[in-house]
Amino acid sequence: QSALTQPRSVSGSPGQSVTISCTGTSSDVGGYNYVSWYQQYPGKAPKLIIYDVSQRPSGVPDRFSGSKSGNTASLTISGLQADDEADYYCCSHAGYNSHWVFGGGTKLTVL
Amino acid sequence: EVQLVESGGGLVQPGGSLRLSCGVSGFTFSSYEMNWVRQAPGKGLEWVSYINGIGSNMDYEDSVKGRFTVSRDNAKNSLYLQMNSLRAEDTAVYYCARERQTSGFDNWGQGTLVTVSS
Repeated sequence: QSALTQPRSVSGSPGQSVTISCTGTSSDVGGYNYVSWYQQYPGKAPKLIIYDVSQRPSGVPDRFSGSKSGNTASLTISGLQADDEADYYCCSHAGYNSHWVFGGGTKLTVL
Repeated sequence: EVQLVESGGGLVQPGGSLRLSCGVSGFTFSSYEMNWVRQAPGKGLEWVSYINGIGSNMDYEDSVKGRFTVSRDNAKNSLYLQMNSLRAEDTAVYYCARERQTSGFDNWGQGTLVTVSS
């Protein structure tokens, strides 16, 4: 199972919005509404910020939103803040033999 | 409070074995599917293995099939990963992660570092 494709890096200024894409195939992103997104700070464990394409766990600000079109999922962060600077990973269910596949990760820089 | 705590990492020679453990608390362990996810130094996340709630169904990423075995002891609230025939490319931080029914991983441990080197 190949990793999902994410941009290596994105950047934005405080208050702006950024969107991170996550491209897979019809066997993963396009085939299931089970895309999740994770935020990871250096040296820390990942944290779930979006599940089921667009759902936010309790406690995650509504500045974080998710969507999907075809084989591509997207994470949008609006009203950028300094502490949004982190690595972001997408993940998709990939069927009951492969289970899960992650994207390569995107480093978000807040300018 | 949900807690997952990994242990068992360390330095091992190529071809060696290691057993990782993940002790959990704060939830009904047997009701949840569990996974191992790893992250090589400076690299991204990689799913490694899956086990269902009763331990009857397991699955593995292709590169570890036949070398790694996931298991669980629901009476001890513990998840395990037996790693054999270790290779340099298995060097990574290994996380245990609770799965929320195909909706992703909602709780993670702090990770345990496995280094495969001579």
